[in-house]
Amino acid sequence: EPEVTQTPSHQVTQMGQEVILRCVPISNHLYFYWYRQILGQKVEFLVSFYNNEISEKSEIFDDQFSVERPDGSNFTLKIRSTKLEDSAMYFCASRGPGVPSYNEQFFGPGTRLTVL
Amino acid sequence: GDSVTQMEGPVTLSEEAFLTINCTYTATGYPSLFWYVQYPGEGLQLLLKATKADDKGSNKGFEATYRKETTSFHLEKGSVQVSDSAVYFCALRFTGNQFYFGTGTSLTVIP
Repeated sequence: EPEVTQTPSHQVTQMGQEVILRCVPISNHLYFYWYRQILGQKVEFLVSFYNNEISEKSEIFDDQFSVERPDGSNFTLKIRSTKLEDSAMYFCASRGPGVPSYNEQFFGPGTRLTVL
Repeated sequence: GDSVTQMEGPVTLSEEAFLTINCTYTATGYPSLFWYVQYPGEGLQLLLKATKADDKGSNKGFEATYRKETTSFHLEKGSVQVSDSAVYFCALRFTGNQFYFGTGTSLTVIP
């Protein structure tokens, strides 16, 4: 069964460093998302991406964040200068084309980011 | 704004016990409601959903009914198994692409 994969599973970085979190969505999917979950808090929407551009973003997704689909398979989230409060689990998700699939997003296992 | 509140965990049950995980929501209008499950080391998987009031979503013995009058979508299972041990997330989608999730409820089922 196709699945969304994410690498690395755990990333430790120093405050102020740049990190890139990587995701490989399901191959025929067209819509891509990033969410994050700070420990003990809700899973929060960050951004959605379609047709090579951001379609929606939340207040959390400020200028420190960027997303990119550098090739036909990867979808990345970059944090330019990490802060302690960026420590969280980051989930990538994708969904397929067409109205019947509108509701279901398929999630990856997450990348745990720890900023020291 | 739109939001979801779900029962705090962790929850520990014996095998074959009855499970309820409460979920209530706040939304202007009529959102679609979901339960996602995350097994250890895996991603969030859609467990069940309901798209309008009084709909019942069901899968793998789990059920949840969309109750507009109480703005709730409680998850239930009559007899849990050890393999049901996971984290359960209630979520809603109203407008746009984004989902609003609860904090997750960790369930451990002991033999």
